[in-house]
Amino acid sequence: AQSVTQLDSQVPVFEEAPVELRCNYSSSVSVYLFWYVQYPNQGLQLLLKYLSGSTLVESINGFEAEFNKSQTSFHLRKPSVHISDTAEYFCAVSVGIYNQGGKLIFGQGTELSVKP
Amino acid sequence: DVKVTQSSRYLVKRTGEKVFLECVQDMDHENMFWYRQDPGLGLRLIYFSYDVKMKEKGDIPEGYSVSREKKERFSLILESASTNQTSMYLCASSERSGQGGSFRSQPQHFGDGTRLSIL
Repeated sequence: AQSVTQLDSQVPVFEEAPVELRCNYSSSVSVYLFWYVQYPNQGLQLLLKYLSGSTLVESINGFEAEFNKSQTSFHLRKPSVHISDTAEYFCAVSVGIYNQGGKLIFGQGTELSVKP
Repeated sequence: DVKVTQSSRYLVKRTGEKVFLECVQDMDHENMFWYRQDPGLGLRLIYFSYDVKMKEKGDIPEGYSVSREKKERFSLILESASTNQTSMYLCASSERSGQGGSFRSQPQHFGDGTRLSIL
């Protein structure tokens, strides 16, 4: 069965420092992978996605993630974080289901806390 | 942009009441989903629907039911609310892709959530 593991529940970091949020998945088939961000008291917003093609994907606000098939990982990175990046981040994998619409499997989430 | 609208941001109900949470999407998506989110537990799938009048149980369906009479609307129903159903509820929708009967969800688009308190 497919699963997603986010290895860190909380990541504290100082402003302008680099950050990596780790995500590993298990799947026996080809995957779609996603990172979502949730700001306080809001729903989840799609940050970036890997469907196919280039293994390095980028978001508009400076985050990037690399699909590594051999290590079954999809870690999220940013070279220099801002206070406004403080949020919870969720990694997800798309699961195919025969004769249905499919669903996402989410990790437990990582709370990124950026301190001045 | 895709818009997923949940009818209430905050809702307070009493134990034993029948509670309806409504969700509407405006992008003609086939798939719709209901999750609950609790601290330390992440997102847990309650029910999902891949077509009108079709529904499938997620990971925690007990105590809940759903209705999808129109493609754009997906309702979550708490038949008899209990205090352990106090939570943040999130609705999402997505296109699906695939062929030959095997489909996968494209990125899901979420509403802002309903924070439900059962007293």
